[in-house]
Amino acid sequence: AQTVTQSQPEMSVQEAETVTLSCTYDTSESNYYLFWYKQPPSRQMILVIRQEAYKQQNATENRFSVNFQKAAKSFSLKISDSQLGDTAMYFCAFMKHNNNDMRFGAGTRLTVKP
Amino acid sequence: DVKVTQSSRYLVKRTGEKVFLECVQDMDHENMFWYRQDPGLGLRLIYFSYDVKMKEKGDIPEGYSVSREKKERFSLILESASTNQTSMYLCASSLPKNQPQHFGDGTRLSIL
Repeated sequence: AQTVTQSQPEMSVQEAETVTLSCTYDTSESNYYLFWYKQPPSRQMILVIRQEAYKQQNATENRFSVNFQKAAKSFSLKISDSQLGDTAMYFCAFMKHNNNDMRFGAGTRLTVKP
Repeated sequence: DVKVTQSSRYLVKRTGEKVFLECVQDMDHENMFWYRQDPGLGLRLIYFSYDVKMKEKGDIPEGYSVSREKKERFSLILESASTNQTSMYLCASSLPKNQPQHFGDGTRLSIL
């Protein structure tokens, strides 16, 4: 079974600074997908970024980027120029290739301070 | 944009009651999912469905059942609610295979 570990239950960052959230996972699969989801205080989970394991290039979406280290089974999320609206729970998730269901980490609560 | 709608944002029920949580999606997605979210545990999959009338158990199906009579609707049923089922319940939907999931707002269920 795949497991996803987020070792930082809570983090904080000053507005406009950069923060990195860590995620590690355990799998014997060679092809899979990784995701970061954001859950603001209003509670709807939204997709932040997605990475395909067979792609070596790290995914980027505006101020959000990932550092995907396949050998180390690590998938960290970097948020640049942090904004107050980035305050949320962040979940890392794993999906096997040609599969339908995801496995989520326990989440990291990020607070952006003015 | 995909819209996943859960029927209630807050719900309070008593132990032993039969509880229905409803979820509707408007994007013709084949897959639908039910999770519960608890602090420190993240999201745990209860059940999912990949087609009408089809269902698969997730990691924590005990005490729950599901129904999918129409493609757009996926219901979670607590047959006899217990206090340890007090939690946040999230519904999601997706296209088949390798696709990200789209979530509803969640239902915070309290069992007294």
